[in-house]
Amino acid sequence: GESVGLHLPTLSVQEGDNSIINCAYSNSASDYFIWYKQESGKGPQFIIDIRSNMDKRQGQRVTVLLNKTVKHLSLQIAATQPGDSAVYFCAERGGDNNDMRFGAGTRLTVKP
Amino acid sequence: SQTIHQWPATLVQPVGSPLSLECTVEGTSNPNLYWYRQAAGRGLQLLFYSVGIGQISSEVPQNLSASRPQDRQFILSSKKLLLSDSGFYLCAWADRGRKAFFGQGTRLTVV
Repeated sequence: GESVGLHLPTLSVQEGDNSIINCAYSNSASDYFIWYKQESGKGPQFIIDIRSNMDKRQGQRVTVLLNKTVKHLSLQIAATQPGDSAVYFCAERGGDNNDMRFGAGTRLTVKP
Repeated sequence: SQTIHQWPATLVQPVGSPLSLECTVEGTSNPNLYWYRQAAGRGLQLLFYSVGIGQISSEVPQNLSASRPQDRQFILSSKKLLLSDSGFYLCAWADRGRKAFFGQGTRLTVV
């Protein structure tokens, strides 16, 4: 479900380290999941997606892992860079493919 | 290619005044359309979504309404704004079963 009323959790990493951002989803009928990156004052930007028939998908420097058993999603960023500093949201799409709901988000700060 | 336009970028409105935010999409047909609100430092709250002209699903009961008068136009309205309506409003579009693309948002401040 949505956690829009909570302050964002934060993750601080050193430049060059790997980052892991976690997300729990609530709807067991959700079959499509998306990670977004949002920079201050801008709309969210697509990073990577995964369908429920997969448990892992890789992009450029990013990997998404899906564990349907515990309804958990994670985003791994390799060799984190200062430009990766932003808020990261996971989103789930319900089984009817119409609504799209977001998790609470995580603020990632990369220290030089 | 598809593009989404959302305006205005910023808006300051007095309490009790009406609101109309517009969102249009180009380069696609019959998209799903969404309105979200984001309070400062918080997550995205789904307000409305639409799967077709005149079809609106409301997620949160409040003094806002949405309309879809044309296939690629989505409008967020209010007859009388409240202080609590302040926030960052985001419009998005998506093809069925695929990722959504967001506009640049409207920062609304109700004073």
